[in-house]
Amino acid sequence: GESVGLHLPTLSVQEGDNSIINCAYSNSASDYFIWYKQESGKGPQFIIDIRSNMDKRQGQRVTVLLNKTVKHLSLQIAATQPGDSAVYFCAEISGGYNKLIFGAGTRLAVHP
Amino acid sequence: DAGVIQSPRHEVTEMGQEVTLRCKPISGHDYLFWYRQTMMRGLELLIYFNNNVPIDDSGMPEDRFSAKMPNASFSTLKIQPSEPRDSAVYFCASSPQGETQYFGPGTRLLVL
Repeated sequence: GESVGLHLPTLSVQEGDNSIINCAYSNSASDYFIWYKQESGKGPQFIIDIRSNMDKRQGQRVTVLLNKTVKHLSLQIAATQPGDSAVYFCAEISGGYNKLIFGAGTRLAVHP
Repeated sequence: DAGVIQSPRHEVTEMGQEVTLRCKPISGHDYLFWYRQTMMRGLELLIYFNNNVPIDDSGMPEDRFSAKMPNASFSTLKIQPSEPRDSAVYFCASSPQGETQYFGPGTRLLVL
């Protein structure tokens, strides 16, 4: 989960469409994963989490999928709204440690 | 709950000056984290505390940075002397058990 900074990948979607944001994590020993949403000028906001003993978890309009075989995490947002426009970060944590390792982030742009 | 509180929200200072950032974690949270966010490096963990004790400060850039947590409801991050390359957004986050972290609004620091 090394951040690359300047050139965030951007996902552009139409309002009302479903969005899928992907994340490849780095540590096969990681056992807890979180998705954060960061709006411009604000701190990261917790969206949803999942433990490694699960492969899917659903929240309100959001679903997180975990594929441990290929170390891949995805966030699905149903019926995307303009208020969903933000940068989305995945984060991983390994058992026994409390350090969250953040991915580079994906910018979601929702168009009317 | 007021969430994590940070002050000041914005700080502009001149190179060489001392800068002190403040954080009030969510009441009852045993963990406190300090992060720095820049365009180039993304979100970086600087240091974290458990029950007011510093646990891991390996992310602190250099001796110019120091952090304290004198009690469960207050922490400071100090930069002395400050340099232009310290310009960034500094976030404080707290956590009840060290996993899910809740972020404050951040302090935007500009060192001229």
